[in-house]
Amino acid sequence: LAKTTQSISMDSYEGQEVNITCSHNNIATNDYITWYQQFPSQGPRFIIQGYKTKVTNEVASLFIPADRKSSTLSLPRVSLSDTAVYYCLVGDFRSSGTYKYIFGTGTRLKVLA
Amino acid sequence: GAGVSQSPSNKVTEKGKDVELRCDPISGHTALYWYRQSLGQGLEFLIYFQGNSAPDKSGLPSDRFSAERTGGSVSTLTIQRTQQEDSAVYLCASRLRDGTGLNTEAFFGQGTRLTVV
Repeated sequence: LAKTTQSISMDSYEGQEVNITCSHNNIATNDYITWYQQFPSQGPRFIIQGYKTKVTNEVASLFIPADRKSSTLSLPRVSLSDTAVYYCLVGDFRSSGTYKYIFGTGTRLKVLA
Repeated sequence: GAGVSQSPSNKVTEKGKDVELRCDPISGHTALYWYRQSLGQGLEFLIYFQGNSAPDKSGLPSDRFSAERTGGSVSTLTIQRTQQEDSAVYLCASRLRDGTGLNTEAFFGQGTRLTVV
């Protein structure tokens, strides 16, 4: 399974765009990149998933360069409620592939007023 | 149910006692995972069930830990002779295994906070 590396923590202010990066140098051809969000005292929640280039949903955008060795989760105009831990996972999550979700330490985002 | 349900939400037990933690996955989800999360730490994979296949127990930390899944639905994680280091939040997740090969997300429960005193 590809190992991921993220910064441990970061601070931001309300209304700013936040970019959280993840390194996954040994990502495999069939691997997808998935991001989860975890609030205190809750289980993680799926945010976004992608394979290459850019993916956008109502919550975030995911940017993946051509070599796919890193990815950036972008949160537009964060609010205090976006304070959480953000996990980057890499794996072949298809039914026929790797099934384990291996979580790293995540990035602890703190949004300040 | 609408989501993954875990019970109890909190459990305090004495060192040396056995505990059982329950997980009700989302109806129709064939994959079920157990994770452990110590205070301020990331999630540690424990065990994975998929349909009728043999479970992947590679993450269980010792033989005091075991899990079963009855009828392909409800799962129970059992910890025997609990130790203080077992104190953590135990999270369960379920996932729809889609035969089309498309990626599907895992849905997590709220967890059971286990405290061994």
